[in-house]
Amino acid sequence: EIVLTQSPDFQSVTPKEKVTITCRASQSIGSNLHWYQQKPDQSPKLLIKYASQSFSGVPSRFSGSGSGTDFTLTINSLEAEDAATYYCHQKYTFGQGTKLEIK
Amino acid sequence: EVQLVESGGGLVQPGGSLRLSCAASGFIFSSYNMNWVRQTPGKGLEWVSYISSSSSTIYYADSVKGRFTISRDNAKNSLYLQMNSLTAEDTAVYYCAREYCSSTSCVDDYWGQGTLVTVSS
Repeated sequence: EIVLTQSPDFQSVTPKEKVTITCRASQSIGSNLHWYQQKPDQSPKLLIKYASQSFSGVPSRFSGSGSGTDFTLTINSLEAEDAATYYCHQKYTFGQGTKLEIK
Repeated sequence: EVQLVESGGGLVQPGGSLRLSCAASGFIFSSYNMNWVRQTPGKGLEWVSYISSSSSTIYYADSVKGRFTISRDNAKNSLYLQMNSLTAEDTAVYYCAREYCSSTSCVDDYWGQGTLVTVSS
């Protein structure tokens, strides 16, 4: 069973700051890693698929990179509306989530 | 527009049963595999069950195997999750998600809004 470990668990950031969230897989998964954003009382929304491909309608400030076991979600020039919990996901496994608080 | 609408959640006693439904629209439902994913209050996401587009392949998480049954009716554009022998640990928001597959891999690209299941006496 593949385990996905995200870091950090929580981050408090200011608007316009650049944010980096990492996801490490317990074994190589190629590029089969996806990132989701979940705001309070909403369902998860797909941001990045296959490690680096932006999903339709997602703002360009969101980007993803990585392959194998190490992956990164980057948010450039953070906006207040980006306050949410972010999850990485591979097939039947999810990371534990990273909660982003906007100061 | 892709839409997934779950229903059927509610309060049920331990040991009881519940059947969740997911109504799909805006895409050719019969062409897509589907998943159920749940989220416990204040916690993370847990995959529950998978069904292929033709219902030929079905998988369950170990935590629900033998108690939950996934099914679909392509004529009705609907996905179901029959949940039996429910315990407090099954309390969660249950989401249905559409699985889009490329030539090499798949991703859950659209999710419903979720339905809350509460198991309590």
